[in-house]
Amino acid sequence: ILNVEQSPQSLHVQEGDSTNFTCSFPSSNFYALHWYRWETAKSPEALFVMTLNGDEKKKGRISATLNTKEGYSYLYIKGSQPEDSATYLCAFRDNDMRFGAGTRLTVKP
Amino acid sequence: DTAVSQTPKYLVTQMGNDKSIKCEQNLGHDTMYWYKQDSKKFLKIMFSYNNKELIINETVPNRFSPKSPDKAHLNLHINSLELGDSAVYFCASSQDGQNSGNTIYFGEGSWLTVV
Repeated sequence: ILNVEQSPQSLHVQEGDSTNFTCSFPSSNFYALHWYRWETAKSPEALFVMTLNGDEKKKGRISATLNTKEGYSYLYIKGSQPEDSATYLCAFRDNDMRFGAGTRLTVKP
Repeated sequence: DTAVSQTPKYLVTQMGNDKSIKCEQNLGHDTMYWYKQDSKKFLKIMFSYNNKELIINETVPNRFSPKSPDKAHLNLHINSLELGDSAVYFCASSQDGQNSGNTIYFGEGSWLTVV
C-alpha cells in the first residue's frame, strides 16, 4: 500500500448499532496515525493520535486500535447516535502527512 | 473562540483574478499549514511555515504563494486564477512540525470557485 486507504467509503447504520471501519497505510517508516472526525461545513476535529504498535485509544463511545506491522487501524463506534454522523478521516505520518479519503457515516434515528 | 479561523469562507471569482485567503490561529502554535482538498476529497498539503520559514513546499504552481506576517498568521495568495483552482482550501496549525506526533488543528475551510 502506497497511500492511505479507508473502507468502506460510506456506511449507513441504525441508531444503537455498533460499527467499525478501517484505515490501511504503508507499514514502513511509520511515525504516527491520526483519526479525525469531520462534519460537513466544519473543520476536521482530532479524535486520536497513535504512535505505538498495539496502541488502543478511547474517547467515550469511540475507540481505535493500531497495528503498525501490518499497516492498519480500526475505528469503532459503540451504540451509534445520529450525532455521530460525519466523515471519519485517518492520516498517516512518515516523512509527510497523508490523508485518506474518509468514511462517511450516516446514523439513522 | 475559534482556534484556527480562515476568511473568506466562500469565494467566487473570475479566471485571471488574484485573490487571497487569510488564516489566523490563536493557539500559540509554531507551525501553520495550507491544505487543498482535491476532487477525490483527499486533503493534500500545499505549504507549511515554522517560525517564518517555509519548510514544506509541495509541487504546487508558483501562482500560489504563502505569506506569514507573524507566527499567528499564514495567508494564501493566488495569482491568475484558473478553473482548476476551484477547491476547498484548509488552513491548519500544530505546536511543532508535521513530523512530530502532535495534533494538527484545522480551520473550517474556504470554498473557492473560479468561473
